[in-house]
Amino acid sequence: DTGVSQNPRHKITKRGQNVTFRCDPISEHNRLYWYRQTLGQGPEFLTYFQNEAQLEKSRLLSDRFSAERPKGSFSTLEIQRTEQGDSAMYLCASSLGGSPTYEQYFGPGTRLTVT
Amino acid sequence: LAKTTQPISMDSYEGQEVNITCSHNNIATNDYITWYQQFPSQGPRFIIQGYKTKVTNEVASLFIPADRKSSTLSLPRVSLSDTAVYYCLVGDMGRRALTFGSGTRLQVQP
Repeated sequence: DTGVSQNPRHKITKRGQNVTFRCDPISEHNRLYWYRQTLGQGPEFLTYFQNEAQLEKSRLLSDRFSAERPKGSFSTLEIQRTEQGDSAMYLCASSLGGSPTYEQYFGPGTRLTVT
Repeated sequence: LAKTTQPISMDSYEGQEVNITCSHNNIATNDYITWYQQFPSQGPRFIIQGYKTKVTNEVASLFIPADRKSSTLSLPRVSLSDTAVYYCLVGDMGRRALTFGSGTRLQVQP
């Protein structure tokens, strides 16, 4: 399977703990995105990388959130001191620069539950 | 960013054509109209994109009137597997972040 992969698929953590999610994009894609989706709502943009550079961050990305993309390949999203409001599906997507469309390829997501 | 309005839900039967209309009265000159599909427990999947008139691919057709203040996604002869949430997005190609609304939940019944 050469699609976008995310790990873990599910994560249950206690409030106050730190969690880290990983995203492996489609290999030739130089752009990588993180979104968050809560029940009944569409995905909300969090941040965007072009290669290893983080070019855009949403105001939703509080100081407790940090994302990295070392070497422009896989990416990690870390949430520190998790809160119950962080419970959501975290989606990663990738795309190829220069594409003439808005087509982003999404992974299956990591579902986070904060108890 | 242009705000979009689409029905919360729609019901259909297998074999019927489904048309989902999206209103975007404040669409800007540089904005494109894009539709995504999302199944439960999966990430969204790109369906189709257009700027004006009609676009057709192997999955759907997209109709955009001359004033571009609305668009209609047409799914021919739906099947049970088309049950999903469909999102209408409007945005400038230069902006990389996708802005999703709440989408239209399509339920296809036998």
